[in-house]
Amino acid sequence: DQQVKQNSPSLSVQEGRISILNCDYTNSMFDYFLWYKKYPAEGPTFLISISSIKDKNEDGRFTVFLNKSAKHLSLHIVPSQPGDSAVYFCAASAGNFNKFYFGSGTKLNVKP
Amino acid sequence: KAGVTQTPRYLIKTRGQQVTLSCSPISGHRSVSWYQQTPGQGLQFLFEYFSETQRNKGNFPGRFSGRQFSNSRSEMNVSTLELGDSALYLCASSFKVTGAEAFFGQGTRLTVV
Repeated sequence: DQQVKQNSPSLSVQEGRISILNCDYTNSMFDYFLWYKKYPAEGPTFLISISSIKDKNEDGRFTVFLNKSAKHLSLHIVPSQPGDSAVYFCAASAGNFNKFYFGSGTKLNVKP
Repeated sequence: KAGVTQTPRYLIKTRGQQVTLSCSPISGHRSVSWYQQTPGQGLQFLFEYFSETQRNKGNFPGRFSGRQFSNSRSEMNVSTLELGDSALYLCASSFKVTGAEAFFGQGTRLTVV
């Protein structure tokens, strides 16, 4: 049962433009959401997080938006850079546990 | 500050054998979680330990077990290995029991032949 879904397996964006990665979830108990970036044969690298009491969190070029009513999460990268090319995972957790449910990932390709 | 360290990085085992993977969390982090990543199933939660106690367990058979030591280091054991256990095993540590990001190690690539 996939509780966190990333419906776009891949995304291609021109350098300097905005990258928007989307994530949907089904469990209304999720209260903490994260985005990770991953290169092949490496562990995921934490990018940004947001708790359910907020609808936006910003960190440099990265902004995460949370729409609780739609159970939708998005990551905006502005401006996109070739070094951002990687697989991006969204993840969510509920309650008093560090148990994260991961989406299947979106492979971002930023073209120079 | 050192990151999460997993050993070994690569491992080849024969079906039916058992294997133990090790994880040293970031200093001061007491929560350690394990995940399995496969191409078909993505990243799946195995279990989480905090202060030497297993707090949560994913949907994996009993062949998968773990433990945490008093210094927060953790080990994961898989007995009676099957071909389908071939995966990247990732360990993550957090400094809080909830609501905090998890920092991942580079993983152990296990191949079962």
